[in-house]
Amino acid sequence: QSVLTQPPSASGTPGQRVTISCSGSSSNIGSNTVNWYQQLPGTAPKLLIYRNNQRPSGVPDRFSGSKSGTSASLAISGLQSEDEADYYCASWDDSLNGVFGGGTKLTVL
Amino acid sequence: QVQLVQSGAEVKKPGASVKVSCKASGYTFTSYDINWVRQATGQGLEWMGWMNPNSGNTGYAQKFQDRVTITRNTSINTNYMELSSLRSEDTAVYYCARGRLFDIWGQGTMVTVSS
Repeated sequence: QSVLTQPPSASGTPGQRVTISCSGSSSNIGSNTVNWYQQLPGTAPKLLIYRNNQRPSGVPDRFSGSKSGTSASLAISGLQSEDEADYYCASWDDSLNGVFGGGTKLTVL
Repeated sequence: QVQLVQSGAEVKKPGASVKVSCKASGYTFTSYDINWVRQATGQGLEWMGWMNPNSGNTGYAQKFQDRVTITRNTSINTNYMELSSLRSEDTAVYYCARGRLFDIWGQGTMVTVSS
């Protein structure tokens, strides 16, 4: 059972906007920043969003992140077939332990 | 380019130990923590622990506190994760990842625990 809570699945059609939620507590998301990772099948995770809403170089601006209180969200606009992947949120807790969400499998219909 | 390259797949018997390496290149090894994360087949990501390669300080998830040891060799820019008393539930892909952002990941090392 993961420390951060994500919906197990999400879906959308090409061009749609999809959001994935990530819920935590005051000891993790509430007091630390949130990062998001994209994992394509058979590959290592890739940093998608860091420090709540920052995009690494090379990540399309279709991907955006936000945080409010003890929750965070990842939004993907203009959904494309290549966005079909697993998405994970992550943060740190007050004991300096890394914490992950259980992952959300995004299906592009 | 900046990369983390891990050692190859391992097959171990229950009760044995495994040591996975993670070699860094393209950046100053001692400037970023190294984290270890594992993923069982079809499951999510699980954080195991971290090390500051400069100071040697470590931190471990409580679940693995008694069984995991993270070390490093700064002369060859390599970090190691050793997991002992292996059981079948430890069968997973083990990743190293750089820094508090996990911005660079190794390719993963499959560890299979089977009698």
